[in-house]
Amino acid sequence: GAGVSQSPSNKVTEKGKDVELRCDPISGHTALYWYRQSLGQGLEFLIYFQGNSAPDKSGLPSDRFSAERTGGSVSTLTIQRTQQEDSAVYLCASSPWGQTEAFFGQGTRLTVV
Amino acid sequence: AQTVTQSQPEMSVQEAETVTLSCTYDTSESDYYLFWYKQPPSRQMILVIRQEAYKQQNATENRFSVNFQKAAKSFSLKISDSQLGDAAMYFCTLPPRDNNDMRFGAGTRLTVKP
Repeated sequence: GAGVSQSPSNKVTEKGKDVELRCDPISGHTALYWYRQSLGQGLEFLIYFQGNSAPDKSGLPSDRFSAERTGGSVSTLTIQRTQQEDSAVYLCASSPWGQTEAFFGQGTRLTVV
Repeated sequence: AQTVTQSQPEMSVQEAETVTLSCTYDTSESDYYLFWYKQPPSRQMILVIRQEAYKQQNATENRFSVNFQKAAKSFSLKISDSQLGDAAMYFCTLPPRDNNDMRFGAGTRLTVKP
């Protein structure tokens, strides 16, 4: 596609439910990032995929968070047993390789009620 | 580990005037890129300007320019002739090397007063 696509744009879920957030990176981009952004705050790094290398999961806040990237393309961020503090905007970005600019999706706004 | 610091949580500028946003960073690399991103209320992150560390000339993109001081590890963004559409969060970032995450500063919220 022309840009990074994230779905859904908005998600409201009940506390305790699992959610899946999807990211379609730009075709051919080897690097993919997930960030979390609370209201008015900066970007909190979650996870980084680079090609076929093992992902850098050092930013995942708890074992309720996991992410995978299938076939080096689409990525899914899964949050199990959601909590209210998980409410935030989740941003995905991709880049051709690690040292160049990242292109961002418009994010998924997650609200846990 | 690479770090990026933005020490100004909020800045304000009068329309048509000039404002400078600060960013300092730390890296052990000698060759790298630095970027400034803008995030308007629509939340879409947009690249504003990039600087390659091996280039001594400061990058310029229309009303946006940087003051890059490699020895001091400083990378400030100057916005000239500020416009209402410049109001946004601005993030400074240092791309990863060797599978490190792309580090962002905490951001600076810029308000433009008419």
